[in-house]
Amino acid sequence: GQNIDQPTEMTATEGAIVQINCTYQTSGFNGLFWYQQHAGEAPTFLSYNVLDGLEEKGRFSSFLSRSKGYSYLLLKELQMKDSASYLCAPMDSNYQLIWGAGTKLIIKP
Amino acid sequence: DGGITQSPKYLFRKEGQNVTLSCEQNLNHDAMYWYRQDPGQGLRLIYYSQIVNDFQKGDIAEGYSVSREKKESFPLTVTSAQKNPTAFYLCASSTFGGQYYEQYFGPGTRLTVT
Repeated sequence: GQNIDQPTEMTATEGAIVQINCTYQTSGFNGLFWYQQHAGEAPTFLSYNVLDGLEEKGRFSSFLSRSKGYSYLLLKELQMKDSASYLCAPMDSNYQLIWGAGTKLIIKP
Repeated sequence: DGGITQSPKYLFRKEGQNVTLSCEQNLNHDAMYWYRQDPGQGLRLIYYSQIVNDFQKGDIAEGYSVSREKKESFPLTVTSAQKNPTAFYLCASSTFGGQYYEQYFGPGTRLTVT
């Protein structure tokens, strides 16, 4: 079957760095997406990885290891507005996104 | 500005009534999707459409129906057969056939059935 595993909740301090891990099992693989979702709002796109390695985009970076079925999202210089849920979503062989339950990130001053 | 609109933002219905949620996009995307989100769970796919006049069931299609008569529009009807309709409903769209399949989301409709 298809399965996504992410921590349910994480807490970090403003200005610090946090890494949100995601492990996945899918039927085929066509890349992995990370989305950010603030409470009560729609998800917004953060990153896409299809090859192994690190993709950097400003304060956010995303890493993928296809052989390990593993990805992480790295957030640097945390700001209060980064308090949100972060959704890991690999794409299967039918080009459908398989969504994890998300990691709720709480930023403390 | 290009984007996806969903209306209304909040919707209240009595049990036994059908209700239709609107989704419109002007991004010229071929593919459109309906998801349901419940607290503590990931997004679950209800229906998707890759082309006008064609749509496919997702993982939880029972109790729902859709139509795709126009490229821009993909309305979702929540029927009285859906046992637990109260949820946050999200519509999304994406290009299809290329290498990159990022999905863009509308603001969502929060449906409460009592």
